[in-house]
Amino acid sequence: DIQMTQSPSTLSASVGDRVTITCRASQSISSWLAWYQQKPGKAPKVLIYKASSLESGVPSRFSGSGSGTEFTLTISSLQPDDFATYYCQHYNSYPITFGQGTRLEIK
Amino acid sequence: QVQLVESGGGVVQPGRSLRLSCAASGFTFSTYAMHWVRQAPGKGLEWVSVISYDGSNKYYADSLKGRFTISRDNSKNTLYLQMNSLRVEDTAVYYCARVPGAALYYFDFWGPGTLVTVSS
Repeated sequence: DIQMTQSPSTLSASVGDRVTITCRASQSISSWLAWYQQKPGKAPKVLIYKASSLESGVPSRFSGSGSGTEFTLTISSLQPDDFATYYCQHYNSYPITFGQGTRLEIK
Repeated sequence: QVQLVESGGGVVQPGRSLRLSCAASGFTFSTYAMHWVRQAPGKGLEWVSVISYDGSNKYYADSLKGRFTISRDNSKNTLYLQMNSLRVEDTAVYYCARVPGAALYYFDFWGPGTLVTVSS
């Protein structure tokens, strides 16, 4: 199975900050990676797919990069609505696996 | 608009069975592969299973060890998850999710989830 490791597990930041979350795969997954945002009690929402493609309707302050085994999600200027938990997910092969999550909290 | 609504969750004793349903609307259900993903309380996301658009191909997480069965009824626009020999560790919110292309893909729409609690 491909293991996905996110860092950091928790990130404290302020409105307007630029933040970056990292996701590492235990083996190459090409660009078969998605990023999700999840708020308490809600289903996840896709932000980025194929490592760097922005899902329709997602604000342009979200961006993704990387390929192979190392990927990043960047939020260019944090907004109050962005405080949530973020997950990466690979879809290179079965079983699909997710990172353990990064909780983004208000500093 | 795309809608996925799970049902069938509840409290069940260890060793018992439960069947979850996911009613789909707003898209041509019979042309999309569908997945189940679960999330234990306070934990991360765990992929459970996938079924192809026509039901001919299915994959499962290794941890389920044959206890769960995914199926679909395209005439009813409904996805199912039959869960047998339930364990305490199966306690989770179960989400159904659609993929916008191939079965092995990212999830573009999710249902709100249904909570399954396995407890004596």
